Amino acid sequence: GENVEQHPSTLSVQEGDSAVIKCTYSDSASNYFPWYKQELGKRPQLIIDIRSNVGEKKDQRIAVTLNKTAKHFSLHITETQPEDSAVYFCAASIGAQKLVFGQGTRLTINP
Amino acid sequence: DSGVTQTPKHLITATGQRVTLRCSPRSGDLSVYWYQQSLDQGLQFLIQYYNGEERAKGNILERFSAQQFPDLHSELNLSSLELGDSALYFCASSVEVGANEQFFGPGTRLTVL
Repeated sequence: GENVEQHPSTLSVQEGDSAVIKCTYSDSASNYFPWYKQELGKRPQLIIDIRSNVGEKKDQRIAVTLNKTAKHFSLHITETQPEDSAVYFCAASIGAQKLVFGQGTRLTINP
Repeated sequence: DSGVTQTPKHLITATGQRVTLRCSPRSGDLSVYWYQQSLDQGLQFLIQYYNGEERAKGNILERFSAQQFPDLHSELNLSSLELGDSALYFCASSVEVGANEQFFGPGTRLTVL
């Protein structure tokens, strides 16, 4: 089936600490895994993505890891800052046509 | 600004009514996607068009329909509206179908009273 599970649904961390959000997917043919950040009342914006031919990708304080065998991928944010507070969505490509999104993680950075 | 535009920004209407939401994709993007986001919910995929043709369908209700016009803009039609249809409706576009970055518009907030 077409399913993407995302955990946790809420996450609260101290400023400066790291945050990790995990997703699992069901379609073994999925080959594209983006992460979107959505601030309150705003549009989702892509922050990082990874394709199935790589296991890890990093962009400054953000990194994504992919384990195709286990069908899971994770978002890692290091040295968190207050502006990282938002809802984060993972997604996985299904077939050649669409993305299926996880349910989202509300991340709160406590000063 | 993603380059994707949506109108109107807000829409308030009554149950039983019909509304049309409009989306213009980024210049050069051929694929348009529609999503529904209810309060504190994830992004539910509704439907996708590519160069005027329907390519994929999600959990779109029969009361909802969409189309993509020759100039590539798209419209989402919602009819016989119910209270539960109140949500944010996002349009996204990408260059091609499938495994590509989708750029989201600002959304249309629909309130059904």
